[in-house]
Amino acid sequence: GNSVTQMEGPVTLSEEAFLTINCTYTATGYPSLFWYVQYPGEGLQLLLKATKADDKGSNKGFEATYRKETTSFHLEKGSVQVSDSAVYFCALWGGKLIFGQGTELSVKP
Amino acid sequence: GAVVSQHPSWVICKSGTSVKIECRSLDFQATTMFWYRQFPKQSLMLMATSNEGSKATYEQGVEKDKFLINHASLTLSTLTVTSAHPEDSSFYICSANEEGYSYEQYFGPGTRLTVT
Repeated sequence: GNSVTQMEGPVTLSEEAFLTINCTYTATGYPSLFWYVQYPGEGLQLLLKATKADDKGSNKGFEATYRKETTSFHLEKGSVQVSDSAVYFCALWGGKLIFGQGTELSVKP
Repeated sequence: GAVVSQHPSWVICKSGTSVKIECRSLDFQATTMFWYRQFPKQSLMLMATSNEGSKATYEQGVEKDKFLINHASLTLSTLTVTSAHPEDSSFYICSANEEGYSYEQYFGPGTRLTVT
């Protein structure tokens, strides 16, 4: 069946550090892929998406590229800010959203 | 655009009572709405999928009689937790698809339910 695996957290970085959160998936075909962000006490917000292989989704300085060869959709940001502290979820659409377990990011000033 | 609201944002109820949570799509028509449950520091677990005017489809292991879902219109779905118990305490989140965009979901802010 479809599944998503994310790197375990929590991830703690200093402000302006480079961020990578790994995400790999198992699916039939080429599903749409998403990154969602959840700030403390809030629901999920769509951060970015990619609907086909080699697509790059980007938003607010975050990027992720749909790599079918490695079945990956890693999230990156060149310089994180304290305000980026949140939980990040990788997900795929396979008739319903399948979420990874989430990765907590904490950015220290 | 594409805003989903939930009401209430938090609720405390006594064991044995029922509580209703509303999910509304404010500026679009939602063909399908989804209900999730999230435990602390864990991922979202899909509970059920509801389509306007038809019965909800529940995920395996979710009690239909305990978690009643009604999707009365293209902008409103409700989740009623019946005879709530402390183990039902959780964060409940709904999401909705804009008609014609089945894979892109917009999430509500969530409802924190505490059963005492």
